Amino acid sequence: NAGVTQTPKFQVLKTGQSMTLQCAQDMNHNSMYWYRQDPGMGLRLIYYSASEGTTDKGEVPNGYNVSRLNKREFSLRLESAAPSQTSVYFCASSRTGGETQYFGPGTRLLVL
Amino acid sequence: AQSVTQPDIHITVSEGASLELRCNYSYGATPYLFWYVQSPGQGLQLLLKYFSGDTLVQGIKGFEAEFKRSQSSFNLRKPSVHWSDAAEYFCAVDLNSGGYQKVTFGTGTKLQVIP
Repeated sequence: NAGVTQTPKFQVLKTGQSMTLQCAQDMNHNSMYWYRQDPGMGLRLIYYSASEGTTDKGEVPNGYNVSRLNKREFSLRLESAAPSQTSVYFCASSRTGGETQYFGPGTRLLVL
Repeated sequence: AQSVTQPDIHITVSEGASLELRCNYSYGATPYLFWYVQSPGQGLQLLLKYFSGDTLVQGIKGFEAEFKRSQSSFNLRKPSVHWSDAAEYFCAVDLNSGGYQKVTFGTGTKLQVIP
């Protein structure tokens, strides 16, 4: 099992460009999450999907959209990137809410 | 709103010494509690979790944590630290009540281990 995979690993964008971060899990988990990690801030939840077909906002959803494409895949889209979105993005999944979350290796995004 | 506090941003211990990382949460009921570890350039890995029952929980890599309801704390401990334990440690709280799922992470404690 690969666990949670994320693509790309690194990305550099110019302000105003768009991109989609991909996440997939092969553990048959119901719940999936997107976090951003910034120095001194810990991890902050952007969006989550409790189950296939549902998505909800987390703590810092502004500037992002998500799609739960199917049970395996949960993508994060930046429509018009801003320098404030420079961060490391982590995708995670869990069998259900409240259970152990399994994290992907992260995507490092730099917005110039 | 729930919150998680890790008061120590950075801790340095000697190899072989004992370790305690502090975590306090603010929430009326007892949430689910987790400790995760992040090695440089990696994602987070679960060390241990508390849902209910015995308040002293054992985790991987020789770590343990004790839930103290009266102090709203869930401190992480290890009796003898190894150089490979150098990493960043995150405490997390999950309400998981009424079908609403939201995990709140602390800001992390970076552990440095010196020979």
